[in-house]
Amino acid sequence: DAMVIQNPRYQVTQFGKPVTLSCSQTLNHNVMYWYQQKSSQAPKLLFHYYDKDFNNEADTPDNFQSRRPNTSFCFLDIRSPGLGDAAMYLCATSRDREYNEQFFGPGTRLTVL
Amino acid sequence: GQNIDQPTEMTATEGAIVQINCTYQTSGFNGLFWYQQHAGEAPTFLSYNVLDGLEEKGRFSSFLSRSKGYSYLLLKELQMKDSASYLCAVMDSNYQLIWGAGTKLIIKP
Repeated sequence: DAMVIQNPRYQVTQFGKPVTLSCSQTLNHNVMYWYQQKSSQAPKLLFHYYDKDFNNEADTPDNFQSRRPNTSFCFLDIRSPGLGDAAMYLCATSRDREYNEQFFGPGTRLTVL
Repeated sequence: GQNIDQPTEMTATEGAIVQINCTYQTSGFNGLFWYQQHAGEAPTFLSYNVLDGLEEKGRFSSFLSRSKGYSYLLLKELQMKDSASYLCAVMDSNYQLIWGAGTKLIIKP
């Protein structure tokens, strides 16, 4: 089945220790998104790629970086995680930007100790 | 600024009907989405409205009034598995999704 896969599902890191979250998709979608979601809050868009075109949200901290080496994979790097970065990180894809039904991966829950 | 409002929490009884409202103010409009999110899981797509009116899909229906900046999600014949958060999201003129914080629906037997 075509899907969005995220690894790991649960990630524990220490304050200030870099961490990388990964996302892969078999849908062959052009657009990939990274969201941060905290409990009982709306998903917050961090950035998205339209093909190789990177789009950073204005309020995304510099601590967050992303890479999309090919159509299928996208990575979220958190260079120096703080306690406030503990959240669920959701990867999503959509076929195009214009019709924006987004397909989500299962998420990675990040804990910062 | 852009804003999506929906109730924080609602409670309903198994077998009943519930309506979850969403009002929005956004820079442009290119459609409204409803997603279901079970606790600790990712959102899953429920419906998409871009024209005024009612879209029905099984037990779920979604309504849109663009002139009023208003939508609702109607869930019929509620089942315990419908206990989840329901997120309203609007696509703005830049094709960005603006998300509401979600309505937590609690179903009681």
